[in-house]
Amino acid sequence: GDSVTQMEGPVTLSEEAFLTINCTYTATGYPSLFWYVQYPGEGLQLLLKATKADDKGSNKGFEATYRKETTSFHLEKGSVQVSDSAVYFCALSPHPSSARQLTFGSGTQLTVLP
Amino acid sequence: ETGVTQTPRHLVMGMTNKKSLKCEQHLGHNAMYWYKQSAKKPLELMFVYNFKEQTENNSVPSRFSPECPNSSHLFLHLHTLQPEDSALYLCASSQAGQGNTEAFFGQGTRLTVV
Repeated sequence: GDSVTQMEGPVTLSEEAFLTINCTYTATGYPSLFWYVQYPGEGLQLLLKATKADDKGSNKGFEATYRKETTSFHLEKGSVQVSDSAVYFCALSPHPSSARQLTFGSGTQLTVLP
Repeated sequence: ETGVTQTPRHLVMGMTNKKSLKCEQHLGHNAMYWYKQSAKKPLELMFVYNFKEQTENNSVPSRFSPECPNSSHLFLHLHTLQPEDSALYLCASSQAGQGNTEAFFGQGTRLTVV
């Protein structure tokens, strides 16, 4: 079955540091890939997505590139802020015509210190 | 206004109580989901509704009873819960068949069973 593996946290960085959160996946076919973010006490929000190989998703300074050859979708940001402190979830979705649910990674807690 | 609205935001209930969680989506989606998020555990998919029909029940105990009266509303009826059922319950919706299968989440209901 489909699966998503994220680097385990927690991750603690100083403000303006470079961020990488690794994500690899296992899936049949050509899934779409997503990063969701969950701020304290809130639900999940879609951060960015990529629907085919070599696509780059970007939003709020975050980027991730769909790498089919390495089955990866690593999240990066060049300069993190305190407000980026949250839990980040990598997820995949199978064939786009399906209403099947997303498969999530276990989440990575990020704390950014001033 | 968020696309997916959950009420209540917080709920404390005794083990003998009966309560219901409500989810409403304003996005015109045809699929809705219930997830459970416990501390230090991955997101657990509980139920999937596709065009108001339940298509998945991931071995959820019968003390959790979902109801989907129409494609915009989803309920989770709770009775005789256990303390280990305390968690954040997240509702989500998505649209199948148009190539964009990302899910949109509500802010969740924080449930405490005492």
